Amino acid sequence: RKEVEQDPGPFNVPEGATVAFNCTYSNSASQSFFWYRQDCRKEPKLLMSVYSSGNEDGRFTAQLNRASQYISLLIRDSKLSDSATYLCVVNRGGGGNKLTFGTGTQLKVEL
Amino acid sequence: NAGVMQNPRHLVRRRGQEARLRCSPMKGHSHVYWYRQLPEEGLKFMVYLQKENIIDESGMPKERFSAEFPKEGPSILRIQQVVRGDSAAYFCASSQAGGVGQETQYFGPGTRLLVL
Repeated sequence: RKEVEQDPGPFNVPEGATVAFNCTYSNSASQSFFWYRQDCRKEPKLLMSVYSSGNEDGRFTAQLNRASQYISLLIRDSKLSDSATYLCVVNRGGGGNKLTFGTGTQLKVEL
Repeated sequence: NAGVMQNPRHLVRRRGQEARLRCSPMKGHSHVYWYRQLPEEGLKFMVYLQKENIIDESGMPKERFSAEFPKEGPSILRIQQVVRGDSAAYFCASSQAGGVGQETQYFGPGTRLLVL
C-alpha cells in the first residue's frame, strides 16, 4: 500500500464548478500535512498547510481527519488557471522532516 | 526576493559521466532537501542536509549518489557514472528549520537531467 494515496484523475470540470480532492495516508504518526500544486512538472508550489481545525484561503478549503487518516481539498468557483496537478503531501516528522508525496490528482478546468 | 535557486536547469550527460547539481537555499534557510521525480511518477525524497551534516539519506541510492552541504556555498548532489535510468527532474527544497511550524519546504525550479 502506498504511504499517500490519491485518485490520479483527471478531473475535467467547467469553469465555476466546485471540485473536491481526497487523499489518504497510512502512517498514523504523520505530523504535518500540505497541499502543493505542480504545473506541467515544474516545481511544486505550496498551496496550503492542512490542520485538524480546517483552514480556508480564498476559494480553497483544506480539511484533515486524523482518525480516518484522510485529507481533503475543496476548490470553489474554479478558474482556468486552477488547471494543474494537486499533490497531497505528508511529513512524518520525528526530526526527519521528510516529505512523502502522493502521485497527484490532475485537474482540468474548461470553458 | 530570491527563492531556492538551482543550476543548471537542464543537464545532458552521456552514460558513464558525472553529473553535479547545485542548490542554493532561500535566504535564512539552513535546511536543504533533494527530491527526484522520474517520468510519469511522483516526487521521491532522496536526502536531507543541514550545513556540513547529512540528517537523513534514507532515499539515496546506495551507489553512485552523494550529497553535501558545505559551510560555504551551495548544496551539491553528485551522480557518478550516470546511467539512462538517472534521467529525471531533481528538485531541491529548503526550510527555515526542521521543527513543527518552521518545516515548510519551498522548492527550486529543478534540474532536468537527461542521460544519453
